Amino acid sequence: GAVVSQHPSWVICKSGTSVKIECRSLDFQATTMFWYRQFPKQSLMLMATSNEGSKATYEQGVEKDKFLINHASLTLSTLTVTSAHPEDSSFYICSATQRQRTDTQYFGPGTRLTVL
Amino acid sequence: KQEVTQIPAALSVPEGENLVLNCSFTDSAIYNLQWFRQDPGKGLTSLLLIQSSQREQTSGRLNASLDKSSGRSTLYIAASQPGDSATYLCAVIRQAGTALIFGKGTTLSVSS
Repeated sequence: GAVVSQHPSWVICKSGTSVKIECRSLDFQATTMFWYRQFPKQSLMLMATSNEGSKATYEQGVEKDKFLINHASLTLSTLTVTSAHPEDSSFYICSATQRQRTDTQYFGPGTRLTVL
Repeated sequence: KQEVTQIPAALSVPEGENLVLNCSFTDSAIYNLQWFRQDPGKGLTSLLLIQSSQREQTSGRLNASLDKSSGRSTLYIAASQPGDSATYLCAVIRQAGTALIFGKGTTLSVSS
């Protein structure tokens, strides 16, 4: 149980285009979802926290107009990278917590974004 | 602001050796600490989770300890194998329902 999926697993896009990444909790209701970004040889850094039905909370330095997060249901959160540039190329990972057990986060497999 | 540091950044050992990975955190007010494994280009695999009230957790050849007051944790790997080669990440959480704060990881290479 407690499986989180991400789609797509990898994506290559041209500079200036927008890319949407989906994060789904397959067998539980995710009250909170987190979006992390990992640059090569770096740690995972929190980008934003997303609660179902409310606006996401962004970390300092993360542009909310560039990284649009929507958590429209208890099983789905989406991250849209708008007007992507090569410096946005990174590994994006989401995690989710259950309503009944908020002390454990379940991670998705990640999405590798490459912007040409 | 919580900061998590992992030492060493990289480690190479021959197969069969026992080894210790270190993690330190600056704010001892944590809810729990977790160790993850990450293979190249892949997501995270949770290895061990230690609640703030616990001192250690064991799973197979892995043993993680936590000294909350000194802000330290260690991951002990016994009888290392080439399949253990990966990056090991340490992360802490301030309270339930909040985000994890990660260290940069230790990249382990076990040669046969």
